[in-house]
Amino acid sequence: EAQVTQNPRYLITVTGKKLTVTCSQNMNHEYMSWYRQDPGLGLRQIYYSMNVEVTDKGDVPEGYKVSRKEKRNFPLILESPSPNQTSLYFCASSFGQPGYGYTFGSGTRLTVV
Amino acid sequence: KQEVTQIPAALSVPEGENLVLNCSFTDSAIYNLQWFRQDPGKGLTSLLLIQSSQREQTSGRLNASLDKSSGRSTLYIAASQPGDSATYLCAVRVGGYQKVTFGIGTKLQVIP
Repeated sequence: EAQVTQNPRYLITVTGKKLTVTCSQNMNHEYMSWYRQDPGLGLRQIYYSMNVEVTDKGDVPEGYKVSRKEKRNFPLILESPSPNQTSLYFCASSFGQPGYGYTFGSGTRLTVV
Repeated sequence: KQEVTQIPAALSVPEGENLVLNCSFTDSAIYNLQWFRQDPGKGLTSLLLIQSSQREQTSGRLNASLDKSSGRSTLYIAASQPGDSATYLCAVRVGGYQKVTFGIGTKLQVIP
């Protein structure tokens, strides 16, 4: 089944403890992106990647890191999480050509205390 | 900067009604527009994708239209059902394939 898989689905952590949220897609998509969703603010892009070893900042990149060493994987790294990073996170992927739509993962609900 | 607005923010209708959700965007130079459904705390499910060269797309009881020149799209839901209750989001891809902007969504409740 074609899908975007995120792990974990739920995560509670403490301020300052490094964490990684994994994202993997099995559709051979070139483009991958991370979003966070907050009430009243909608979905905001954190980082995106147009292909292996090519990443760029979205609208809200502060406090996050990403890497794209393989085409299928695009992990989101929080080096020192803070409570304002408590949010619902989504990974999405697409073919690189403009005519294609997005496929989303199921989301990761992160709570930083 | 592209801005996407969805009106209304919330909508409550009795079962069986036909309804229209609206999405407007400020930059008409789009590649495509995608409608999603999101259930509470869940991921986004793609409903319809309209390319910039298309006027509408249909899937079952759903019909999405696109008017690029006026910066508007509508999602029409026929014969609404309680299972249609969810938040509906529109997303616009513009200015190169890496930039997608989302609206905040319309929360729909269909009352049995």
